[in-house]
Amino acid sequence: DAGVIQSPRHEVTEMGQEVTLRCKPISGHNSLFWYRQTMMRGLELLIYFNNNVPIDDSGMPEDRFSAKMPNASFSTLKIQPSEPRDSAVYFCASSIAGGPGEQFFGPGTRLTVL
Amino acid sequence: KQEVTQIPAALSVPEGENLVLNCSFTDSAIYNLQWFRQDPGKGLTSLLLIQSSQREQTSGRLNASLDKSSGRSTLYIAASQPGDSATYLCAVYTGGFKTIFGAGTRLFVKA
Repeated sequence: DAGVIQSPRHEVTEMGQEVTLRCKPISGHNSLFWYRQTMMRGLELLIYFNNNVPIDDSGMPEDRFSAKMPNASFSTLKIQPSEPRDSAVYFCASSIAGGPGEQFFGPGTRLTVL
Repeated sequence: KQEVTQIPAALSVPEGENLVLNCSFTDSAIYNLQWFRQDPGKGLTSLLLIQSSQREQTSGRLNASLDKSSGRSTLYIAASQPGDSATYLCAVYTGGFKTIFGAGTRLFVKA
């Protein structure tokens, strides 16, 4: 099993640009999570999908952030326009049983907004 | 509001030593607790998942215990090795699709 796949692994962009992060969950997992990790705030849940449907997006910081899951094998997290304070590592995780299930994390995307 | 605390924030031990990492949570109404390992610049690797009805889980040299009533979990690492050096995070699932993470304990095992 390839595990959770994220792309790109690193992204450097300028303030105001659109950024799209991608995630492929583990096959057969029906829940997908997007997290953000920073030194100041640690690991924070941004949004949670179950069976491709967004269940809880209360962690999305602003309207500049949006996430989609068009099918069971692909999700995107978009930031438009990006700001320097969005710089962080963004992780995608998946599980077979939602919150109660064991979560498996991808390698993350390190985003730097200049 | 659930809060998860990990103590100590950092720990340095000589190779071969047995050690305990601590995790405490403020609300005992949890569904499960998961321990992760994170290497620098990498993602999180799941180590052990303890359901609320369980007292402990073991995997190799790792043993995790859970005491819901006191809001505590410990991760015991036997015969530590330099390859165990990493940050260890605990996370509690409290329902409502929320998983709350601790800030982690940074472990360094000296050869």
